[in-house]
Amino acid sequence: AQSVTQPDIHITVSEGASLELRCNYSYGATPYLFWYVQSPGQGLQLLLKYFSGDTLVQGIKGFEAEFKRSQSSFNLRKPSVHWSDAAEYFCAVGATNTGNQFYFGTGTSLTVIP
Amino acid sequence: NAGVTQTPKFRVLKTGQSMTLLCAQDMNHEYMYWYRQDPGMGLRLIHYSVGEGTTAKGEVPDGYNVSRLKKQNFLLGLESAAPSQTSVYFCALGLANTGELFFGEGSRLTVL
Repeated sequence: AQSVTQPDIHITVSEGASLELRCNYSYGATPYLFWYVQSPGQGLQLLLKYFSGDTLVQGIKGFEAEFKRSQSSFNLRKPSVHWSDAAEYFCAVGATNTGNQFYFGTGTSLTVIP
Repeated sequence: NAGVTQTPKFRVLKTGQSMTLLCAQDMNHEYMYWYRQDPGMGLRLIHYSVGEGTTAKGEVPDGYNVSRLKKQNFLLGLESAAPSQTSVYFCALGLANTGELFFGEGSRLTVL
């Protein structure tokens, strides 16, 4: 069965520091992978996605993620965090062979300190 | 989140009452989804639809019903609300051209 694990429930970083949010997935084939961000009281916004090809993908707001098949991981990174990046981040896997269902991780809450 | 409208935005129900959440789109997409979001649980798929007149169960369908009589609207119904259904509900469109989900702003439901 498909599943997504985000091992870090909450992360705190200083503004300007680098960030890495972890995501591991379980899926029987090459998955479609996504990172979404949710600001308080808002819906989810797509940061970036991986379907195929180059395993390092660039997204909005200076985020990037790397797909590592051998580790079943799709970690999100940003070289220098801004205070406005404080939000909840969700990793998701999409499966077209199950009616286009999407499975989400439990999320990582990011706090940015000045 | 222009293009996806959820109504109502907030609702308080008593146990046993019924209600319907409406998700309306003006973007002509086939795939529509209902998720619930609970603290520490992420988003869990309730039901989804791959086109007008079709619906399917997701991860947590019990206690909910859905209908997609018109392509633009995807309704989520609670026939007899329970406190366990207190949650934030999100509707999403599946964008076939990009493979991503496009979310509404959410509906916060409290069942007392």
